[in-house]
Amino acid sequence: EAGVTQFPSHSVIEKGQTVTLRCDPISGHDNLYWYRRVMGKEIKFLLHFVKESKQDESGMPNNRFLAERTGGTYSTLKVQPAELEDSGVYFCASSLGTGYNSPLHFGNGTRLTVT
Amino acid sequence: DAKTTQPPSMDCAEGRAANLPCNHSTISGNEYVYWYRQIHSQGPQYIIHGLKNNETNEMASLIITEDRKSSTLILPHATLRDTAVYYCIVRLGGSNYKLTFGKGTLLTVNP
Repeated sequence: EAGVTQFPSHSVIEKGQTVTLRCDPISGHDNLYWYRRVMGKEIKFLLHFVKESKQDESGMPNNRFLAERTGGTYSTLKVQPAELEDSGVYFCASSLGTGYNSPLHFGNGTRLTVT
Repeated sequence: DAKTTQPPSMDCAEGRAANLPCNHSTISGNEYVYWYRQIHSQGPQYIIHGLKNNETNEMASLIITEDRKSSTLILPHATLRDTAVYYCIVRLGGSNYKLTFGKGTLLTVNP
């Protein structure tokens, strides 16, 4: 089966610009997650979708970040306007369920650099 | 979630077993132990999980002590491709699935 795919793999933008990251989960996975690792820090949870609904967005840093999952398939994460501290690697993951036997499958991430 | 403690780094010779320890002394009865790893420039990869019994799959074995306060991930025959950061995560097995990654253990497999 195809894994979680993320696009683009790298993005370099200037401060104040807008960037949209895309994630295609594994087919049939209702649960989709966004995580990120900013410079020198640990990987942190951002939010969790169940189908098209946001289940938990407690990790979203501020209102410059907007995640959507229209139709319950792929998801986008928009950063507008981007700031220098948003630089890092953004990971998307998906899972079949949320129980103990449903591990997360991660994509390879989008490396975002804000200059 | 219970806090986990792992050594920051370990070395292992290629072909030998790699034993990665994790302490989770505050684990509660319904929390599972999960192991993920991150190979450079890739996303985290699920390895194995367990509650109280030892577990084995095609990638690794997980040994959990009887009191559940610590565990060991075993890669039976480490290869160079197993060089990665390994994360031990304790998590409730229910909903609101939100992993807390710590600093993990950098395992370096040497030829």
